[in-house]
Amino acid sequence: GQNIDQPTEMTATEGAIVQINCTYQTSGFNGLFWYQQHAGEAPTFLSYNVLDGLEEKGRFSSFLSRSKGYSYLLLKELQMKDSASYLCAARDVGGYNKLIFGAGTRLAVHP
Amino acid sequence: GAVVSQHPSWVICKSGTSVKIECRSLDFQATTMFWYRQFPKQSLMLMATSNEGSKATYEQGVEKDKFLINHASLTLSTLTVTSAHPEDSSFYICSARVRRTGETQYFGPGTRLLVL
Repeated sequence: GQNIDQPTEMTATEGAIVQINCTYQTSGFNGLFWYQQHAGEAPTFLSYNVLDGLEEKGRFSSFLSRSKGYSYLLLKELQMKDSASYLCAARDVGGYNKLIFGAGTRLAVHP
Repeated sequence: GAVVSQHPSWVICKSGTSVKIECRSLDFQATTMFWYRQFPKQSLMLMATSNEGSKATYEQGVEKDKFLINHASLTLSTLTVTSAHPEDSSFYICSARVRRTGETQYFGPGTRLLVL
C-alpha cells in the first residue's frame, strides 16, 4: 500500500530550529519532496531528495534514508513567516510519477 | 521559471451549473499536469493526471463524468466540474511537472469554488 505519516502539529520559538519528520511506504518510490503551504494558498516547492543524505538550501535542509523510509525537513533560525503547513510527498513511479502527499504538519512559530 | 497559472482564482456558482478551471504553464511545456482537491485543514488529494493528447487518468473514487479533464496543448489543461453541487465546494489546485528539475511539480495558485 501507500502511506505517508507526519505529525499533525508542531510549535516552535522564533530563532530556534525545528525538525519535521516523515515516514513513507510506497510501492514504487522515486523521490521525496517537501512543500510549504500557507493558509489559503497553493503549495510552494521547498526541496527534493532522491538519494540518501542531506540536501541544504539556506535555512532549510532535507534528509532522506531510503532504507528506513524516512525523511525530515530541518528549519533553522525560525521566523514568524515560517508558520505554515509543511507537506511531505513521495513520488511514485507508477502512474506518471504522481506525488502521494501526507496530511501535512502545521507549524506555529511563536515570538 | 516554472510558473503555473490558474484561472479563475475564485468561483461562486449555483447548484447544477458547470464550472471550467484553466491551468497554464507559462514558461515551459508540460506534457503532464495534475489536478488536486483540498478541503479545509486537509491535505492535497490527487484527482487525476492529465496528459497532453490523451485521456486523463483518474484516481479511485473520482467520477470522470463529473470532473472532465482536457489537456489540449502542452501549456493548457482544463478541469470542468459538471452539474456542481455544494459538496463540490473546495480548493482546486493544478500542478505541472518540469522535467529539467528532476520532474518537480510546481503548483498553480489554486481556484476556490463555492457552490450555493
